[in-house]
Amino acid sequence: DAGVIQSPRHEVTEMGQEVTLRCKPISGHNSLFWYRQTMMRGLELLIYFNNNVPIDDSGMPEDRFSAKMPNASFSTLKIQPSEPRDSAVYFCASTTGWRGVSYNEQFFGPGTRLTVL
Amino acid sequence: AQSVTQPDIHITVSEGASLELRCNYSYGATPYLFWYVQSPGQGLQLLLKYFSGDTLVQGIKGFEAEFKRSQSSFNLRKPSVHWSDAAEYFCAVGEGKLTFGTGTRLTIIP
Repeated sequence: DAGVIQSPRHEVTEMGQEVTLRCKPISGHNSLFWYRQTMMRGLELLIYFNNNVPIDDSGMPEDRFSAKMPNASFSTLKIQPSEPRDSAVYFCASTTGWRGVSYNEQFFGPGTRLTVL
Repeated sequence: AQSVTQPDIHITVSEGASLELRCNYSYGATPYLFWYVQSPGQGLQLLLKYFSGDTLVQGIKGFEAEFKRSQSSFNLRKPSVHWSDAAEYFCAVGEGKLTFGTGTRLTIIP
């Protein structure tokens, strides 16, 4: 199994630009989570999906952030417009569960390191 | 609201020495507790988890953790650390929607 795949691994952009992060979960997993990791705030859950439906987006910082999961094998996290304070490592994780409730291991991707200048 | 506290930001131990990383949690019901490890530049990997039953749980890489309800703790231990254990360790609580602690960075001295 290839594990959770994220792309790009590194992204450098200028303030105001649109950024799209992509995630392919492990085949068969029906729950997908987007996290953000910074030195100041640690690891924060942004949003999670169950069976392609967003269950809880209360962690999304503001309207500049949006996430979609058009099918079971693909999800995107978009920031528009980007700001320097969005610089962080963004992780995607997947597991099996129901409406976000899961007692199973979350498998994390390698992350996307975003730098907004 | 659920929360996790890892009081030690950074710990340094000698190779071969024993290790204990502290974790305290706040959770409204029976806690589901996890320890993850993150190597530099990598995603997180599950070391072990506790849901119920035996309060001493064994994980991968020789790690174990003990759940103590009276102390709201779930400390991670290893009897003898190896240089490859140098990493950041995260305690988490939740049922799918996980809340992570701020992490403890472990440095190993040869």
